[in-house]
Amino acid sequence: EVQLLESGGGLVQPGGSLRLSCAASGFTLTSRSMTWVRQAPGKGLEWVSGISRSGDGTYYVDSVKGRFTISRDSSKNTLYLQMNDLRTEDTAVYYCAKASGDWWVGESWGQGTLVIVSS
Amino acid sequence: DIQMTQSPSSVSASVGDRVTITCRASQDLSRGLAWYQQKPGQAPKLLIYAASSLQSGVPSRFSGSGSGTDFTLTISSLQPEDFATYCCQQAKSFPLTFGGGTKVELK
Repeated sequence: EVQLLESGGGLVQPGGSLRLSCAASGFTLTSRSMTWVRQAPGKGLEWVSGISRSGDGTYYVDSVKGRFTISRDSSKNTLYLQMNDLRTEDTAVYYCAKASGDWWVGESWGQGTLVIVSS
Repeated sequence: DIQMTQSPSSVSASVGDRVTITCRASQDLSRGLAWYQQKPGQAPKLLIYAASSLQSGVPSRFSGSGSGTDFTLTISSLQPEDFATYCCQQAKSFPLTFGGGTKVELK
């Protein structure tokens, strides 16, 4: 059974950093593309970042480019999102999702981890 | 960036009703469109990918159609567990983008 478990969220001041983790089980991370999607309180879904199956392609929404970095550790079967220079508008529940085959759509999702950026 | 316009933003319906939700893209997606269902406090659940392919385990009352810029999600006979928010997502190009969502409420 595929499971994704996010962790690392919390309260951080503007300008601070957090690293989110997404521990995968039931499949090998390197077998699928992976994405991070966020949802601000009471708002819709926003795609944040993705990493290709091969790992040589990383993609970001413009609002996080230069601040966020997606990566993975195959030995730990874990996906990461390093978030630097956090802003209040980054406050959201962050989900990791496993892509569906050749399509960049979320076939399986974690339960999410809440990031609050506030002074 | 590709803009996704979803309508309506909400719909009131009864159990057994047929419900149709539309999504329009600002550029040609071919068939690069997915539909999700999300309930409060839960992660999204993939229903449809490639515009019309039913995700494994999803009831057949859900169907998707369309290509290019205009897409539709249809629930043929609404069930109590279907009251939720539905959202489309384009998978054609980065950045991936979502529609604003349609809340299906009990009439």
